[in-house]
Amino acid sequence: QKEVEQNSGPLSVPEGAIASLNCTYSDRGSQSFFWYRQYSGKSPELIMSIYSNGDKEDGRFTAQLNKASQYVSLLIRDSQPSDSATYLCAVLQGAQKLVFGQGTRLTINP
Amino acid sequence: GAGVSQTPSNKVTEKGKYVELRCDPISGHTALYWYRQSLGQGPEFLIYFQGTGAADDSGLPNDRFFAVRPEGSVSTLKIQRTERGDSAVYLCASSPENRREQYFGPGTRLTVT
Repeated sequence: QKEVEQNSGPLSVPEGAIASLNCTYSDRGSQSFFWYRQYSGKSPELIMSIYSNGDKEDGRFTAQLNKASQYVSLLIRDSQPSDSATYLCAVLQGAQKLVFGQGTRLTINP
Repeated sequence: GAGVSQTPSNKVTEKGKYVELRCDPISGHTALYWYRQSLGQGPEFLIYFQGTGAADDSGLPNDRFFAVRPEGSVSTLKIQRTERGDSAVYLCASSPENRREQYFGPGTRLTVT
């Protein structure tokens, strides 16, 4: 079992719809979770962090954390073509080591 | 302000050669990390510095890889006797003190021929 698992996609969503990205992790003791966006040929860009169970909203993005079920999700409302990218879920292991999933490729269709 | 910078952006080298990759973190950030990303995969942790010392080097694949951060700011990742399997994008990230968020630089694409 991989430490952090994501569906590699591609996930195709029409413009204006809600995109839902999911991630599960194996270490029940994990406390800190992150979503990064990575455009093709570019480096990962931090878009959300979440540390407590529940929802955290930032603009069109909502991160959801359920520690009991060991999953993290990212919702993107009113999806735009510019949201087309690979989304990486990352879990902080130990003091400062990020463990990443393989990423989900998202395509927003105009 | 300025983000993490990495040089060179691209490096092509022959198998068996030595390479150095440089990372300049965000000003004031005390923690610095190196990751490696292969095509279609998420980044993989290599090493983490808190100040000048390597606090966790458990991700370095073997003793051909070494990293330094002599003055607690700029870091250099050194790879000896490069192999074709070392080809990847090498990413550097930094964090402010007592913060968990990591901010990545643009990466160095290393190609070993």
